[in-house]
Amino acid sequence: DTGVSQDPRHKITKRGQNVTFRCDPISEHNRLYWYRQTLGQGPEFLTYFQNEAQLEKSRLLSDRFSAERPKGSFSTLEIQRTEQGDSAMYLCASSLEGYGTQYFGPGTRLLVL
Amino acid sequence: DAKTTQPPSMDCAEGRAANLPCNHSTISGNEYVYWYRQIHSQGPQYIIHGLKNNETNEMASLIITEDRKSSTLILPHATLRDTAVYYCIVRVLYNNNDMRFGAGTRLTVKP
Repeated sequence: DTGVSQDPRHKITKRGQNVTFRCDPISEHNRLYWYRQTLGQGPEFLTYFQNEAQLEKSRLLSDRFSAERPKGSFSTLEIQRTEQGDSAMYLCASSLEGYGTQYFGPGTRLLVL
Repeated sequence: DAKTTQPPSMDCAEGRAANLPCNHSTISGNEYVYWYRQIHSQGPQYIIHGLKNNETNEMASLIITEDRKSSTLILPHATLRDTAVYYCIVRVLYNNNDMRFGAGTRLTVKP
């Protein structure tokens, strides 16, 4: 089963450090999405790509966050100068253009100490 | 995208049908109803979606009222592994932007 995969699954870091997460979408999917989920809440949209192009960013995506999808396949989400408020589950999803169903990965759980 | 309202929690006995309601009274004619679930510490899992006709797949059935202002997700024979948070989302099918998740319904299946 070649579903959406994310790495790492868990990350503990100290405040002020930079972290990077990776997402590998379903191979034929050209759209890729990043969400953030805090405890007890539903996922909140951060940004999405169509192929290499980043088409939309949420207000939640502060300037400390940057996402890339350089070859239109995998994507990375980097958080610079992490803060305790960045502690959350970071979810990646992918979909096929023209068809709305998004398929999610298992998420990366970040804890900032 | 239209807003949805779901009960915060529900219980269901193992082996019985679980009926999860969702109100979406402001739904537009081109908006679909999607259901996802999230088992603890995992990513959301797609279950089913529909426009106005009832839909069934191997996981669940989706019943949408004739006026499309509400829907019910039915898990016909709930198991302990169906314990999860269930999210009802309405959106345009070909809107490939974000999914707007609410707080969902926490379903607990009890033995």
